[in-house]
Formats: sequence, structure tokens, C-alpha cells
Amino acid sequence: EPEVTQTPSHQVTQMGQEVILRCVPISNHLYFYWYRQILGQKVEFLVSFYNNEISEKSEIFDDQFSVERPDGSNFTLKIRSTKLEDSAMYFCASRAAWGNQPQHFGDGTRLSIL
Amino acid sequence: QKEVEQNSGPLSVPEGAIASLNCTYSDRGSQSFFWYRQYSGKSPELIMFIYSNGDKEDGRFTAQLNKASQYVSLLIRDSQPSDSATYLCAAPGYSSASKIIFGSGTRLSIRP
Repeated sequence: EPEVTQTPSHQVTQMGQEVILRCVPISNHLYFYWYRQILGQKVEFLVSFYNNEISEKSEIFDDQFSVERPDGSNFTLKIRSTKLEDSAMYFCASRAAWGNQPQHFGDGTRLSIL
Repeated sequence: QKEVEQNSGPLSVPEGAIASLNCTYSDRGSQSFFWYRQYSGKSPELIMFIYSNGDKEDGRFTAQLNKASQYVSLLIRDSQPSDSATYLCAAPGYSSASKIIFGSGTRLSIRP
């Protein structure tokens, strides 16, 4: 069964450094998402992306965050200057274009900011 | 703003029994709902989605949707220790591209 893949599985970064999280969505999906989950808290929406542009973003997704689809397969989340509170699991998700299809999640990247 | 509410648990159920997980939602316009299972440290895994009032069955899982009362439930029959996880109720937004709004999850523990 096709799946969403994310790399790396764990990223450790010094505060203030830039980090790029990578995702390969399911190949025929057209909608892409990033979510995060701080330890012990609920899954929170960050941003949705369709047709090469941001469709919706949350208050969390400030100027420090950006997303990009640099080629036909990858979808990336960049955090420009990381803060301690950015430490979380980051999940990429994708969904098909037709009907009311659910989103499928990757295994996540655990981001630890030191 | 859509809200999805769940009892955080933990809900403890003996092995072989039926586990019943409940969820309420605030937006009467919500049309569909998803149940995701999340093991500790892992990503949400879709187990059921339901669009219509009534029941939808898939193996040991039954999702129930009552739009008039604005609640969704998930029944797990013949509970197994491997069902021990956090179950997330979720509702999508209105547009095709929009986010999923998750509840905080109910932690289920199946005791042998």
C-alpha cells in the first residue's frame, strides 16, 4: 500500500539554526499538509498546500515557517530560526483530490531543539 | 471554529470486551468524521471514516454517527491488547484542501 514517507526520523538542532523536514506524499495525491504534536498534546494543524500554493495556515505557521514543493515528489517544511518551543513531532499528510477522502500521515520527524 | 471533544481517559477495558469511545463536535455543518489510532510516539493511523448517519462496520470496528445529537462513537469488539492506544476523533474542514481538526484523544488500555 502506498504511504507517505518522512525524513529524517529524528532531527536534533541547536536553537537559532535552520531546519528542513522532508516528506514524499503518496504519488497521486494533490493536497499536502503539515501538522505538529508537542509531547503529550493534541495534533495541531500547521499548513495545507495545493496547486503549488498555501491553501490555509494556522497561527502557529508564522514567518519563521515556509513550505515548498521543489519537484514533483518532495514536500518540505523549513523552520528558519528554531526555538526551544519548536520541539515536537512533525507529521506530513496527503490526500487524494476526489471526494471526501481522509488524510494519510507519514511516520513523522521528531525535532529536538537544544 | 470547529471543536471536537473527547474524554481523555484512560479507558480501561478487559480483553475480549467491547470498548466504546465517544466524541462530540460543535459544528452542526460537519459532514464527515475520521477515527485515527495513535500508538505512543507514532503517527496517527486512519482506522475508520464515516459520512452518513448510522453505523459503519469494518471488521471489529464500528463507527456510529448521530448528526442530530452531534456525536460520533467508535466501538471495538473483542478488544485485544494490541488495541491499547490513543484514539483520535477528527473532523475535516469545509474545503477540499482544509485541515483536519483533531480531538485531544482518548487513551484506551486493554487489560489481559
